[in-house]
Amino acid sequence: KQEVTQIPAALSVPEGENLVLNCSFTDSAIYNLQWFRQDPGKGLTSLLLIQSSQREQTSGRLNASLDKSSGRSTLYIAASQPGDSATYLCAVYTSYDKVIFGPGTSLSVIP
Amino acid sequence: DVKVTQSSRYLVKRTGEKVFLECVQDMDHENMFWYRQDPGLGLRLIYFSYDVKMKEKGDIPEGYSVSREKKERFSLILESASTNQTSMYLCASSLSTFVGGRHYGYTFGSGTRLTVV
Repeated sequence: KQEVTQIPAALSVPEGENLVLNCSFTDSAIYNLQWFRQDPGKGLTSLLLIQSSQREQTSGRLNASLDKSSGRSTLYIAASQPGDSATYLCAVYTSYDKVIFGPGTSLSVIP
Repeated sequence: DVKVTQSSRYLVKRTGEKVFLECVQDMDHENMFWYRQDPGLGLRLIYFSYDVKMKEKGDIPEGYSVSREKKERFSLILESASTNQTSMYLCASSLSTFVGGRHYGYTFGSGTRLTVV
């Protein structure tokens, strides 16, 4: 059974730091992987989706990588800002329409 | 951009009431999903639908039902609301096919915070 974990559960960094959020999964036979952001009391906003044939995706200050063989994905945030404070969830697709969500990493960027 | 709209951001209902949560998407997605999210338990799938009139149970369907009479609308129904159904409810949608060789994943609505008193 596929299990998805995210470490750390919470992270606090000063503004301007580069940081890495981790997502691990137990079964390497995944379809795709998607990173979401969730602000308190709100829905999930898609940040990046890495297709099964890709190893990374970039959008602005965000870069997500995927290593299926080792069961890991990382979300790299460059030059963090207070507006980046949110919970970040990874979602592992076991098929095109079945997904398992990680528990999330709560990020706080201190001005 | 795909939009998934949940009709209410906040709802307060009384125990025993029948509650309807509405979700509408505007990009012709075949698949629609209802999740609830609770602290320490993460997102849990309640029901999903691959097409009009179709519905499938997720991991925690007890106490809920759904309706999909039109492709763009997926309703979650709490037949008799109870306090343990106080939660954040999230609706999502997705395409059932690849477009241009790409899979576009889930798009979520903004959530409905339901409190049952």
